[in-house]
Amino acid sequence: KAGVTQTPRYLIKTRGQQVTLSCSPISGHRSVSWYQQTPGQGLQFLFEYFSETQRNKGNFPGRFSGRQFSNSRSEMNVSTLELGDSALYLCASSSPGTSTNTGELFFGEGSRLTVL
Amino acid sequence: AQSVTQLGSHVSVSEGALVLLRCNYSSSVPPYLFWYVQYPNQGLQLLLKYTTGATLVKGINGFEAEFKKSETSFHLTKPSAHMSDAAEYFCAVSDPSGAGSYQLTFGKGTKLSVIP
Repeated sequence: KAGVTQTPRYLIKTRGQQVTLSCSPISGHRSVSWYQQTPGQGLQFLFEYFSETQRNKGNFPGRFSGRQFSNSRSEMNVSTLELGDSALYLCASSSPGTSTNTGELFFGEGSRLTVL
Repeated sequence: AQSVTQLGSHVSVSEGALVLLRCNYSSSVPPYLFWYVQYPNQGLQLLLKYTTGATLVKGINGFEAEFKKSETSFHLTKPSAHMSDAAEYFCAVSDPSGAGSYQLTFGKGTKLSVIP
């Protein structure tokens, strides 16, 4: 069974640009979450999507947005990039709605964004 | 809001020695608890989880953790460290946010070094 796939793995942007990151969840998983990882702040929750709807959102500015498609694939977008947006962006999928659901997440390898 | 505290951002052990990584959490409800491991330039991999039942949880690669409600702790141990255990370890608590949505709150991480 294929794991969570994130593209691109690495990218470099300049301040003011925008970026779109893509995530394909594990087959059958309908929930996709996004996390930002930085050395200073650690792992922080961005948002979660389920059935094409944003179900939960972390404390990030409106420049950070996302969406989910009918096949459960998700994208996140960051507009007007700032230096502080340099981070590893991790996507995770899960299969909620089952009796064993505990919030366990399956993570991709991440997209490392560098903003110059 | 839930929080997770990992004592010690860096821990060094000799190969073959006991590994002990500490995690304390705050939660107003019975939590679900997780330990994840992250190798360089990779995503997070689940080591083990506590949901309900037995408080001593066994995971992959010889790791185990014990849930102690009275101490609000979920420390990770391994009897004998191996060089391949060198990585960063994250403790997380699951925060049910309603409508079936789960959000993981992570500790800051503990980087484990294994000395030959």
